[in-house]
Amino acid sequence: DAGVTQSPTHLIKTRGQQVTLRCSPKSGHDTVSWYQQALGQGPQFIFQYYEEEERQRGNFPDRFSGHQFPNYSSELNVNALLLGDSALYLCASSTSPSPQETQYFGPGTRLLVL
Amino acid sequence: GENVEQHPSTLSVQEGDSAVIKCTYSDSASNYFPWYKQELGKGSQLIIDIRSNVGEKKDQRIAVTLNKTAKHFSLHITETQPEDSAVYFCAASTNTGGFKTIFGAGTRLFVKA
Repeated sequence: DAGVTQSPTHLIKTRGQQVTLRCSPKSGHDTVSWYQQALGQGPQFIFQYYEEEERQRGNFPDRFSGHQFPNYSSELNVNALLLGDSALYLCASSTSPSPQETQYFGPGTRLLVL
Repeated sequence: GENVEQHPSTLSVQEGDSAVIKCTYSDSASNYFPWYKQELGKGSQLIIDIRSNVGEKKDQRIAVTLNKTAKHFSLHITETQPEDSAVYFCAASTNTGGFKTIFGAGTRLFVKA
């Protein structure tokens, strides 16, 4: 059983560009959450997708958007990249949107904005 | 806003010794407290969790204790092994006012052989 997978593993972009990160949830999971983890910090909640809709959102600007597909996979899009967007982006999946459900994390995508 | 404080940021122990990591949270509505182990290239793995109706939970060498009155919870690893070396994150979750999972800043554990 494949766990949560993310692509790409690493990415380098320049300021002002746009980026799309992808996530496939663990088999049997229908909920995907995205987190941003800056160096030396814990993950910060960006948003959560369930039934192809954004259900919850953390304190992130509209430059951060997402999508969930019928097969439950998800994309995170970031527009107008800033240097401060450099971070490890983590995707987590679970069997429901409840915060009491165990979340399973992928290995992350490391984004560097130059 | 809500936050989770985690201490220490770095912990070095000798193989076989115990390691303790402590977290405090501010949102009294938090009711689920997972602990994750993060290793480079492997993602974050849930190692143990506890819910607010339980004071202690143990799984082999790992245990977690929760004090809801004081709003703090701790991870205890006994008989540490070199493969326990990793970054550990605590988190506090609530669904009051919407989904919220707040993570601590992490503890880097070194187990010296």
